[in-house]
Amino acid sequence: EAGVTQFPSHSVIEKGQTVTLRCDPISGHDNLYWYRRVMGKEIKFLLHFVKESKQDESGMPNNRFLAERTGGTYSTLKVQPAELEDSGVYFCASSPLAGGSDTQYFGPGTRLTVL
Amino acid sequence: AQSVAQPEDQVKVAEGNPLTVKCTYSVSGNPYLFWYVQYPNRGLQFLLKYITGDNLVKGSYGFEAEFNKSQTSFHLKKPSALVSDSALYFCAVRDSFSGGYNKLIFGAGTRLAVHP
Repeated sequence: EAGVTQFPSHSVIEKGQTVTLRCDPISGHDNLYWYRRVMGKEIKFLLHFVKESKQDESGMPNNRFLAERTGGTYSTLKVQPAELEDSGVYFCASSPLAGGSDTQYFGPGTRLTVL
Repeated sequence: AQSVAQPEDQVKVAEGNPLTVKCTYSVSGNPYLFWYVQYPNRGLQFLLKYITGDNLVKGSYGFEAEFNKSQTSFHLKKPSALVSDSALYFCAVRDSFSGGYNKLIFGAGTRLAVHP
């Protein structure tokens, strides 16, 4: 069974540019989470989808961040325009809706560097 | 406020010795606790969890963790460390106010270095 995949693995952009991160959850997992680790600090929650609906987006830093999950499969996280403080590692995680939903499976992360 | 603390930025142990990575938490209600490990250039891998039941939880790669409610701790342990255990370890707790979902609150991570 394929795990959670994320693309790209690394992205280096200049301040003011736009970047789109993609996450493909484990097949059949309706829960999809985005997290971020900035500057070697703790990993922080960004938002949570249940299927295609945003269940909780309380962790989104500001309106420069836009997440979508059309069709309830893969998800994208767009940062527009990117700022220096957006640099960090963005993790995606997924879990089933029931039966083992308490364990999240994480992808390898996307390392974003904003110059 | 709900939080997770990992008081040690780094833990160094000799191969073959026991290891402990510390974690304390603060949440409302009964905690759901997790340990994840991140190897170099890899994503987070699930190690183990405590939801209910026995306070000693066994997980992957020979790791175990002990839930201590009175001390609000969930320390990760292994009887005999391997060099290959060297990695970054994260403790996490489920946010009690996430409406039954599993929004996780993480600690800052502890880097474990096992030397030969």
